[in-house]
Amino acid sequence: QQQVKQSPQSLIVQKGGISIINCAYENTAFDYFPWYQQFPGKGPALLIAIRPDVSEKKEGRFTISFNKSAKQFSLHIMDSQPGDSATYFCAAKGGFNKFYFGSGTKLNVKP
Amino acid sequence: KAGVTQTPRYLIKTRGQQVTLSCSPISGHRSVSWYQQTPGQGLQFLFEYFSETQRNKGNFPGRFSGRQFSNSRSEMNVSTLELGDSALYLCASSLEDNSPLHFGNGTRLTVT
Repeated sequence: QQQVKQSPQSLIVQKGGISIINCAYENTAFDYFPWYQQFPGKGPALLIAIRPDVSEKKEGRFTISFNKSAKQFSLHIMDSQPGDSATYFCAAKGGFNKFYFGSGTKLNVKP
Repeated sequence: KAGVTQTPRYLIKTRGQQVTLSCSPISGHRSVSWYQQTPGQGLQFLFEYFSETQRNKGNFPGRFSGRQFSNSRSEMNVSTLELGDSALYLCASSLEDNSPLHFGNGTRLTVT
């Protein structure tokens, strides 16, 4: 059973556009929701994270929107740049630092 | 501050062999986790250690094991390798519970 479902699998956005990636989770005990960015040949790097008592968090061009009642959260990348082209993973934390990851979204920002 | 260091970066092994992967966490981080990344299954949790104690284990066979040393460095071992064990193995450390994971660049294991 997939604990965290992520969509879309791939995304093509024009430079300057908005990239939106969505995730849904099942377990209401999850208490921390990070997003990671991964470039080829590298490990995932933390981008931004949110806790369930907050509905939105913004850091620069990156925003997480969190809907606790719907058990959904999303990543918005404003003014998308070619350097943002990477694979993005959402995640949710269970007990003892056990994280469940979404299946990933490959983002391609066209110049 | 140095990041999470994993060695080696690449490994090629034959079916039936065993392998040991090493991870040095960020200084001061006491929690170390291991994940397997494959194109088909994505990122799958293997296990997590905190102060030398395994606190959590994922749904992997007993061939996968790990340990953590008193200096927080960790190793994972895979015995009797199978072709399906070919993957990127990622180590991540965190300062404490409810802290973000910081990943290394992984060890790419190929089993032939």
